[in-house]
Amino acid sequence: ETGVTQTPRHLVMGMTNKKSLKCEQHLGHNAMYWYKQSAKKPLELMFVYNFKEQTENNSVPSRFSPECPNSSHLFLHLHTLQPEDSALYLCASSQPIWTYGYTFGSGTRLTVV
Amino acid sequence: GDSVTQMEGPVTLSEEAFLTINCTYTATGYPSLFWYVQYPGEGLQLLLKATKADDKGSNKGFEATYRKETTSFHLEKGSVQVSDSAVYFCALRVWGGSNYKLTFGKGTLLTVNP
Repeated sequence: ETGVTQTPRHLVMGMTNKKSLKCEQHLGHNAMYWYKQSAKKPLELMFVYNFKEQTENNSVPSRFSPECPNSSHLFLHLHTLQPEDSALYLCASSQPIWTYGYTFGSGTRLTVV
Repeated sequence: GDSVTQMEGPVTLSEEAFLTINCTYTATGYPSLFWYVQYPGEGLQLLLKATKADDKGSNKGFEATYRKETTSFHLEKGSVQVSDSAVYFCALRVWGGSNYKLTFGKGTLLTVNP
């Protein structure tokens, strides 16, 4: 248990489905992040939220829609995905302080069929 | 910009062998340096960190020293175990950088055989 909980752990969805990934942290952190990890590719930062405000969107397609209702919760809403979106989606939290590392969740393994 | 370069994997060792995974960095400001480990099917876990030059981070027998003069933060362990098999990521976070973002290397896969 890292302090960052992601649900579900595994998700299989069709290309026309709509689903959401959830991330929750009780570490008192004020920054939250979504990463995508595909096989044989570097980690890709998708979105950054600081104090509930989105401060970074790394040219992510609009079929991925993040939501951060408060500093403890982060969602990633998914719709009309493509097979190449199949990956491990990782949530992380931190303080926006340069000496702090990130605390990661265990990830959601997404398969798009 | 900020970047991290790690040695290419995979690295395959026998149990009790000495491990070194090289990491060098380029930073636009003063960085903190981190090593993360990812076991199969899991997220990344912070292994150790160092926040100023000449600091040594250590945890679970792993060590890394922040070398400003060579811009390096090499990971070492004196005697690896099968349970150390994982992917290791070097990362940096720069004071004054954009959102104090963590910049990761590409990761190095370590396999330890009995």
